[in-house]
Amino acid sequence: AQSVAQPEDQVNVAEGNPLTVKCTYSVSGNPYLFWYVQYPNRGLQFLLKYITGDNLVKGSYGFEAEFNKSQTSFHLKKPSALVSDSALYFCAVSANTNAGKSTFGDGTTLTVKP
Amino acid sequence: DGGITQSPKYLFRKEGQNVTLSCEQNLNHDAMYWYRQDPGQGLRLIYYSQIVNDFQKGDIAEGYSVSREKKESFPLTVTSAQKNPTAFYLCATDSAYSYNEQFFGPGTRLTVL
Repeated sequence: AQSVAQPEDQVNVAEGNPLTVKCTYSVSGNPYLFWYVQYPNRGLQFLLKYITGDNLVKGSYGFEAEFNKSQTSFHLKKPSALVSDSALYFCAVSANTNAGKSTFGDGTTLTVKP
Repeated sequence: DGGITQSPKYLFRKEGQNVTLSCEQNLNHDAMYWYRQDPGQGLRLIYYSQIVNDFQKGDIAEGYSVSREKKESFPLTVTSAQKNPTAFYLCATDSAYSYNEQFFGPGTRLTVL
């Protein structure tokens, strides 16, 4: 079985400071890892993914994430947070052997204060 | 949200009624999914379909039913057997070429009165 843990329900940062949203995963086989963002009463929007190759993945809106196989982590980062980054962030994992089924974490609410 | 439409945006149901949530896509994706979202519990998979006329139960299928008669459409029926249906429902798709990256609709918020 595959699983995702987002250990922080809430992350608070000041605008202009770097942010990190944590994600660890468990999966059989090679992982496909994703970050999505959700604004209130909206669907999820794709931010970035790791499939293979370079461990540092760059995505939309200046976000990036680093795949760490030994720590089974895929933390989301941004060097300088914006108030508009405030939203709910989901990490998800699937396996290349799992025919499309993704497992999502419980989400982390990011609040960026001016 | 582009390419996937869900309707209605808000839906109110009386206890004991069945209701159907619509999901339509024009992305030509083979796979479609229904998730339920409750506060603090992330997304839970209800049903998924990887091809027309075939679908599988997800983790919380009890009290729900689906059909997949057309590639573009994957309606979800919330039956009276679902004891706690008030939630936000999300439809998603992916394709064989997207490495399981999912594309989400805007969601339907169902409230039981």
